[in-house]
Amino acid sequence: GNSVTQMEGPVTLSEEAFLTINCTYTATGYPSLFWYVQYPGEGLQLLLKATKADDKGSNKGFEATYRKETTSFHLEKGSVQVSDSAVYFCALSVPYNTDKLIFGTGTRLQVFP
Amino acid sequence: KAGVTQTPRYLIKTRGQQVTLSCSPISGHRSVSWYQQTPGQGLQFLFEYFSETQRNKGNFPGRFSGRQFSNSRSEMNVSTLELGDSALYLCASSLGGTGSDYGYTFGSGTRLTVV
Repeated sequence: GNSVTQMEGPVTLSEEAFLTINCTYTATGYPSLFWYVQYPGEGLQLLLKATKADDKGSNKGFEATYRKETTSFHLEKGSVQVSDSAVYFCALSVPYNTDKLIFGTGTRLQVFP
Repeated sequence: KAGVTQTPRYLIKTRGQQVTLSCSPISGHRSVSWYQQTPGQGLQFLFEYFSETQRNKGNFPGRFSGRQFSNSRSEMNVSTLELGDSALYLCASSLGGTGSDYGYTFGSGTRLTVV
């Protein structure tokens, strides 16, 4: 079946540190991959996405590259800010299949000044 | 451009009651999906509606149901509430069609507490 595995949190960093949140997936077919972010008390916001192998999604300084050979979609940011503190979810969906989003368990990021 | 609107934001219900949650998608979006978020189970897919038809359904009991109206607005209903139904219920809208690479836009959710 289709599934997403994320690294356990929380991830605690100082401001301006480099961020990596690991995400690997298992899927039948050719999934689209997403990173969503959830701030306290809010819903999910789409951070970035990639729809085919070797695509790089990027937004607000965050990047992730769709790696088919390693079935990974790791999230990176070169210099985090306190305002990046949130929970990050990796997700996939398989077009022309069920179309539903399958989420990882989420990784909490805490950035301190 | 208005986002996805979910009402109400907060709800407190008693065990055994039923509840109806509402979701208005982004204008032009025809697909509406519902997800349950709990600390223990994370984000779980409930169901998806497209053009007033349920297209997909997750592994939830029959107490959870939904519908979509001709204007794409959707409601979900939970009957005979249990304590374990306490959760954040999120609605997501998408252009839909048969591919999911459009991305999904989520609402802020309805926080349901069952006492």
